[in-house]
Amino acid sequence: DTAVSQTPKYLVTQMGNDKSIKCEQNLGHDTMYWYKQDSKKFLKIMFSYNNKELIINKTVPNRFSPKSPDKAHLNLHINSLELGDSAVYFCASSPTDFYEQYFGPGTRLTVT
Amino acid sequence: SQQGEEDPQALSIQEGENATMNCSYKTSINNLQWYRQNSGRGLVHLILIRSNEREKHSGRLRVTLDTSKKSSSLLITASRAADTASYFCATDKGNKLVFGAGTILRVKS
Repeated sequence: DTAVSQTPKYLVTQMGNDKSIKCEQNLGHDTMYWYKQDSKKFLKIMFSYNNKELIINKTVPNRFSPKSPDKAHLNLHINSLELGDSAVYFCASSPTDFYEQYFGPGTRLTVT
Repeated sequence: SQQGEEDPQALSIQEGENATMNCSYKTSINNLQWYRQNSGRGLVHLILIRSNEREKHSGRLRVTLDTSKKSSSLLITASRAADTASYFCATDKGNKLVFGAGTILRVKS
């Protein structure tokens, strides 16, 4: 009955690899998000997406790309991974923009 | 730059005491939200207060909003060990929510 789920929970990979993180929500929400939380717990939005519009935070490198096969899924693809990409990545969803957001459990990415 | 900033950065109290956390922001908002994050988990929404509201309650939580001072406070009454977590405020800025750095609350039993 998990509302927002992410896989995998942990991801360890080497520099230069390409990886994906999957996110699914069963809440029927229109908007989904990806956040990056660094080691200091600072949470930064990377993308927001509804069925009409993808909004990208300008500070996010273009190595990161969201892919939405349908309204319930927003996957995160990362190309050419770098050490600085190590962080916890959270997926979230909300019924509409700026409403309360429901977060997934997070994916801890470690790049070695 | 961050829209919301919490104060204090860390707070340690005894079980049963009240905990107060503050959030300041820089530009006008439509609403302000508070979230809790337990260690190793995702964020959980606690409460949303709109810019035309001054106070809101939910169980042991009380949130106030002062738009003239661009600040909000979260009060947790009669704290429990299970309240140990990080607490974040989030404000809307343009087309996104911006989270502060959080307050780490530790409730000792």
